[in-house]
This record gives sequence, structure tokens and C-alpha cells, in this order.
Amino acid sequence: SAVISQKPSRDICQRGTSLTIQCQVDSQVTMMFWYRQQPGQSLTLIATANQGSEATYESGFVIDKFPISRPNLTFSTLTVSNMSPEDSSIYLCSARQYTNEKLFFGSGTQLSVL
Amino acid sequence: QKEVEQNSGPLSVPEGAIASLNCTYSDRGSQSFFWYRQYSGKSPELIMSIYSNGDKEDGRFTAQLNKASQYVSLLIRDSQPSDSATYLCAAFNAGNMLTFGGGTRLMVKP
Repeated sequence: SAVISQKPSRDICQRGTSLTIQCQVDSQVTMMFWYRQQPGQSLTLIATANQGSEATYESGFVIDKFPISRPNLTFSTLTVSNMSPEDSSIYLCSARQYTNEKLFFGSGTQLSVL
Repeated sequence: QKEVEQNSGPLSVPEGAIASLNCTYSDRGSQSFFWYRQYSGKSPELIMSIYSNGDKEDGRFTAQLNKASQYVSLLIRDSQPSDSATYLCAAFNAGNMLTFGGGTRLMVKP
């Protein structure tokens, strides 16, 4: 299975600021994704991180709020911009391997916005 | 209607019993299905994948798939308190995106 390193693991941020979350995979993967998981809820897909081009966002998520980069096959960042308390959540990076369709997750970033 | 449905639970079983977790999906084109286990405060961990009708066993876990009924299940034999977690069912949809159910919380009582 792919090993996915995600950082920071947690952060407490002030309203109106931005936080960038980094995700590094130890092997080449086909696709990378960013999910959000609010307390007591299941996973919601934010976007697919595309290498060298703009991310593909799901309904309800926009690039200005959640800019995503993927400069190469194994690295991606998600920025949560102009944060509000409603952005308090766990943000998860995930990746799908070339060899199969299995999706693996990073350890997550627990974000609290005051 | 949600694409992948699960009973939120909690499902409570005594230690040593069989825990049965169920999931239904709406997209008939889905071909691949996965079960994830998520401990509180942790990220989801892949425990089973299944692609064909029937049963697939891995240790104490058995995944079952019935495409005609659009039904996936996970059986955990000899349940242990360490199995207490939320179990997420996931299916690839027609757009080749993985869709997650809401999860079932399992509690195994000593």
C-alpha cells in the first residue's frame, strides 16, 4: 500500500487567515484527492488534484476557497483560504495506486478555526 | 437519495460474536467496492475490497457482494473490542469516483 504523509497533523487558526496542507506519497500514484470530514460525518470529496493543471472541484467547493496544487505525481497541497469557524474539520489527502483501484489516506489534518 | 447507504448504528455485539455490517448502492454500473475502518480521531484504513459477486475472506473478515441486489456486506467473526470503530462502505460510481456511505459505528462489548 502507498504511504501518505500529511502535514500539519493539526492546527488552530484565526478567522480570516489561510492554511496550506501538504501531502506526500511514497510511490507514483494515478490520482490524488482531497476530502473533508466534519465531526460525526462521512467523507466529502473536495476535489481531484490533477498533475500540472487545475484541480477538478466537486459541487459546493470552489478554487478561490480551496486552491489545490499538484506539481508532480507524488505531491499535492490544499489551501483553506479566508477561514471561518465553519471550516473547522478534518482534511484528508488520499491517493489511488497505479496497480489497482485501491484508495489510501493520509493521517489527516485536524483544523480548528477560532 | 444517497449513492451509498449504510445504517449509522451503533451496532452493538458481544465479544466473540459475528458482526454484520450492510451497505446498499444505487449505481448499477459500480464494479468495485471497499470497506474502510476508521477509529475515532484517525483516518480511514482500507480493510477489504471486492469486485465479484460472492464472498471474499481475509482472516476474520468476509466481504459479500450481490450486484443484482446492489448490496455489499462485511462480516467480522470473533469480534473483539479492538474492532470497535466506524466502518465505511465505498463504491466506484459511473464517473470513476469513489463514493462513501455515511458509516456504521460498531461497538464490541467485552
